[in-house]
Amino acid sequence: QKEVEQNSGPLSVPEGAIASLNCTYSDRGSQSFFWYRQYSGKSPELIMFIYSNGDKEDGRFTAQLNKASQYVSLLIRDSQPSDSATYLCATALGNQFYFGTGTSLTVIP
Amino acid sequence: SAVISQKPSRDICQRGTSLTIQCQVDSQVTMMFWYRQQPGQSLTLIATANQGSEATYESGFVIDKFPISRPNLTFSTLTVSNMSPEDSSIYLCSVVGQYEAFFGQGTRLTVV
Repeated sequence: QKEVEQNSGPLSVPEGAIASLNCTYSDRGSQSFFWYRQYSGKSPELIMFIYSNGDKEDGRFTAQLNKASQYVSLLIRDSQPSDSATYLCATALGNQFYFGTGTSLTVIP
Repeated sequence: SAVISQKPSRDICQRGTSLTIQCQVDSQVTMMFWYRQQPGQSLTLIATANQGSEATYESGFVIDKFPISRPNLTFSTLTVSNMSPEDSSIYLCSVVGQYEAFFGQGTRLTVV
């Protein structure tokens, strides 16, 4: 399988801080990148996807893509306790998705 | 978007038995994907199920252990056969839309 690597954490941040989640990928043919959030015992749900180099912002979430460095990140501003979850980075080649191992985030009230 | 109904949501099974997991999608899709997520781990693709042909299995997964059916474009089943405690995991079905992968609710399997 294609390799997607994440810093597995766990990552803890205080409420209101910025949480930074990072991911690297090995296949330069990857064109689309996704961040999923998975609460314990639940299915993954899509937070953001990004195709182009640079930043993409959606509310408190910003995805950053650097294809030259094969690097994707997710910033969560003003972190809330409800953001506590595992975050999965994924790439897609055709119809097939490849997931990283996930980063566990805990936001401390 | 796609809505996937997956059942059962959880089960506790005896070793040596088999469990069949069902997924129903609210729209027609060419491919359905079956994943396993072991405790504390990410998603591992088991196989891709295509309607009208045999499923394509990933390395480490075989049809005798994980037979898959795909009788039409909205439905698929995954069977976990001759279960052992190592099969205890969450099993997820998934379909791919234009911009994302959608998941069923997952089946939490415990083998005792």
